[in-house]
Amino acid sequence: GAGVSQSPRYKVAKRGQDVALRCDPISGHVSLFWYQQALGQGPEFLTYFQNEAQLDKSGLPSDRFFAERPEGSVSTLKIQRTQQEDSAVYLCASSLAGASYNSPLHFGNGTRLTVT
Amino acid sequence: GQQVMQIPQYQHVQEGEDFTTYCNSSTTLSNIQWYKQRPGGHPVFLIQLVKSGEVKKQKRLTFQFGEAKKNSSLHITATQTTDVGTYFCAGIAGGTSYGKLTFGQGTILTVHP
Repeated sequence: GAGVSQSPRYKVAKRGQDVALRCDPISGHVSLFWYQQALGQGPEFLTYFQNEAQLDKSGLPSDRFFAERPEGSVSTLKIQRTQQEDSAVYLCASSLAGASYNSPLHFGNGTRLTVT
Repeated sequence: GQQVMQIPQYQHVQEGEDFTTYCNSSTTLSNIQWYKQRPGGHPVFLIQLVKSGEVKKQKRLTFQFGEAKKNSSLHITATQTTDVGTYFCAGIAGGTSYGKLTFGQGTILTVHP
């Protein structure tokens, strides 16, 4: 597609439910990032994939968060047993290069997760 | 870990006034990128600076990278209502093997016509 596509656009979950957020990056982009953005804050790094390999998951807040990119394209961020503090916008971004020093991030529109 | 701070948090200007936001990193950066996020939108890439002391211009926007590669600034001349949004700097720490960006908290710009 023309840009990074994320679904769903909005998700309301009851506390304790599991959720799955999908990211479809720009075709051919090697790098894929997940960021969490709380209201009024900058995006916070969660995890990074280079193709199908998850090279950095240091930003995942707890073991309830899990991300995968099995075929090096579409990625899914899963949150188990959601808590109210998980409420945020989850942004996916992709970039062309593997070591993206000179490659800007292309962000999707994000998934706004609200946990009630 | 690496921290990136931005000031001011908010800036309200009259249309036609200038605007500057400043970005400071706790560590030396290999490069810095700037993004703009419109209300309800997603961050959109503006520019990347790599060299110490680098200055780049995009029409009314001027970006600078400090000599020590630990700070940066974005200056907008004669703001317009279309400049409204949140401006983020994002840095890649020196020695990082891939482009893991650490974002500042952003400066929210409002422009009164």
